[in-house]
Amino acid sequence: KAGVTQTPRYLIKTRGQQVTLSCSPISGHRSVSWYQQTPGQGLQFLFEYFSETQRNKGNFPGRFSGRQFSNSRSEMNVSTLELGDSALYLCASSLEGTDNQPQHFGDGTRLSIL
Amino acid sequence: GENVEQHPSTLSVQEGDSAVIKCTYSDSASNYFPWYKQELGKRPQLIIDIRSNVGEKKDQRIAVTLNKTAKHFSLHITETQPEDSAVYFCAAVGNYGQNFVFGPGTRLSVLP
Repeated sequence: KAGVTQTPRYLIKTRGQQVTLSCSPISGHRSVSWYQQTPGQGLQFLFEYFSETQRNKGNFPGRFSGRQFSNSRSEMNVSTLELGDSALYLCASSLEGTDNQPQHFGDGTRLSIL
Repeated sequence: GENVEQHPSTLSVQEGDSAVIKCTYSDSASNYFPWYKQELGKRPQLIIDIRSNVGEKKDQRIAVTLNKTAKHFSLHITETQPEDSAVYFCAAVGNYGQNFVFGPGTRLSVLP
């Protein structure tokens, strides 16, 4: 079974631009979560989507948004990019069941803002 | 909301020694506790997890213990090897459908 796939792997943007990142979950997984990872800051939770609906949201400004499609693929959008948005953006998918299930991570998209 | 603390932030051990990483959580409703290992430049990977109805779980050289009363759980790695060098993250998850809350991570270095 293919793992979580994130595209693109690397992205360079300038301040003020916007960017869209994509995440394809493991087949059959319906929950997709997004995280921002910066050196020394661990994994900061952005949001989680399940069945095309945002189920949980972290403490990030409204410039960060996302969506999920009917095939469970998810996109994350960041508008009006700032230098501080430079980070590794990870998505993780999990299989929904009757109990909490482990998340499986993609390789991430490394976003650099110039 | 849930808050997860993790100690130590860095840990160096000699090859063959044991390593212990401890996490504490704040929400007594949390019931699922996974551990992830992230090697340099790679994705976090699940190495072991434990649910609140279990006190301890082992998988070869790795074990996790959970103390619900004290609201802490620990990762134990025995007979450490250089390939165990990585950043380890703990997480706590509350009721079904809630998001994972990760600790800040522990950088483990196993010295040959």
